[in-house]
Amino acid sequence: QKEVEQDPGPLSVPEGAIVSLNCTYSNSAFQYFMWYRQYSRKGPELLMYTYSSGNKEDGRFTAQVDKSSKYISLFIRDSQPSDSATYLCAMSASLGGSEKLVFGKGTKLTVNP
Amino acid sequence: GAGVSQSPSNKVTEKGKDVELRCDPISGHTALYWYRQRLGQGLEFLIYFQGNSAPDKSGLPSDRFSAERTGESVSTLTIQRTQQEDSAVYLCASSLQLFYEQYFGPGTRLTVT
Repeated sequence: QKEVEQDPGPLSVPEGAIVSLNCTYSNSAFQYFMWYRQYSRKGPELLMYTYSSGNKEDGRFTAQVDKSSKYISLFIRDSQPSDSATYLCAMSASLGGSEKLVFGKGTKLTVNP
Repeated sequence: GAGVSQSPSNKVTEKGKDVELRCDPISGHTALYWYRQRLGQGLEFLIYFQGNSAPDKSGLPSDRFSAERTGESVSTLTIQRTQQEDSAVYLCASSLQLFYEQYFGPGTRLTVT
């Protein structure tokens, strides 16, 4: 089992739809959870950063963490064509004095006008 | 303020040559990270620095890869005797401290012919 699993998609939705992106993980030591957006031929851009279980909202974006289920989600409300990108989940933990960083493979999202 | 910058943005080199990739993190960020992203793939974590120290080098793909950081600022990733499988985008990120959110540079696209 991979440490972080993320459905690569592609996911195609109409403009205005609610988008749900998800990752599961196996290592309960992960403490910090992030979502990045990556446009083609660009570096990833941080969208959301969470530490604890629960929801965190920022504009049209909501990040949700369920540590008991080892499951994180990113919701995009009122999706726009400009949201078309690859979305990467990421998580980190401190293990034995070293930081462990793992990214999901990314989900490619297309929002159609 | 200025973000993470990387140079060169593109590098084409012949198999067997050495290359050096540079990363300038955000000023004041103590942690710096290197990733590799092959075409259509997720991010592969290579190495991180806390200050000028790299506690864990196990993510480097082979002994042809090395990295250093000086002055808690600029970092260089060196690939010796490049191979075609080294072709990828090499991304650098920095964060204020370990475990904090990472900010990415635009990447260096390396092509080994």
